[in-house]
Amino acid sequence: TQLLEQSPQFLSIQEGENLTVYCNSSSVFSSLQWYRQEPGEGPVLLVTVVTGGEVKKLKRLTFQFGDARKDSSLHITAAQPGDTGLYLCAGQAGANNLFFGTGTRLTVIP
Amino acid sequence: NAGVMQNPRHLVRRRGQEARLRCSPMKGHSHVYWYRQLPEEGLKFMVYLQKENIIDESGMPKERFSAEFPKEGPSILRIQQVVRGDSAAYFCASSPGGGPNTDTQYFGPGTRLTVL
Repeated sequence: TQLLEQSPQFLSIQEGENLTVYCNSSSVFSSLQWYRQEPGEGPVLLVTVVTGGEVKKLKRLTFQFGDARKDSSLHITAAQPGDTGLYLCAGQAGANNLFFGTGTRLTVIP
Repeated sequence: NAGVMQNPRHLVRRRGQEARLRCSPMKGHSHVYWYRQLPEEGLKFMVYLQKENIIDESGMPKERFSAEFPKEGPSILRIQQVVRGDSAAYFCASSPGGGPNTDTQYFGPGTRLTVL
């Protein structure tokens, strides 16, 4: 079983602050995806990273894939209340299933 | 372009009854995946199907659970003789089937099963 651990598990910050969420594993993944999940809904894909060391930016969100393709980080600049949600990383090994991380529940306080 | 559709969104069953969960993949997608999310836990893979074939069912409980993806119609996840421990959110995802590293999965809204 390939385990992905996310930290922190819970994060509560003020609007305008910056934050970083980490996703770590001892396993190598062919790609890694970040999702955001709202209460009562399914995960919504934010980004897919494939190459070791790759950095992708999505407005105020910056995603990085570790050089060894075992870990990833999500950095949010100037957090907004609309960023509130559950952030999930998921590693893909092969063509089949995704291994999901434990999740980081972010609350941005206005 | 409609996304992944799941129905019902909420399903209540008594212990011993059967639960049938349906998933219609995105248009043009031929690969379907089922995941289960227990309360306060992450998503866990159950089964991966292509049309008329089960490719990987390593995450599926050996008893009472079955899945199919027929040539026509939605994919079905079937749980027989439900027990309280089956209460969870069940998510379906689909992908176009482009192969490793390109096969991004898109998730449906989930079916929340409650067993009384």
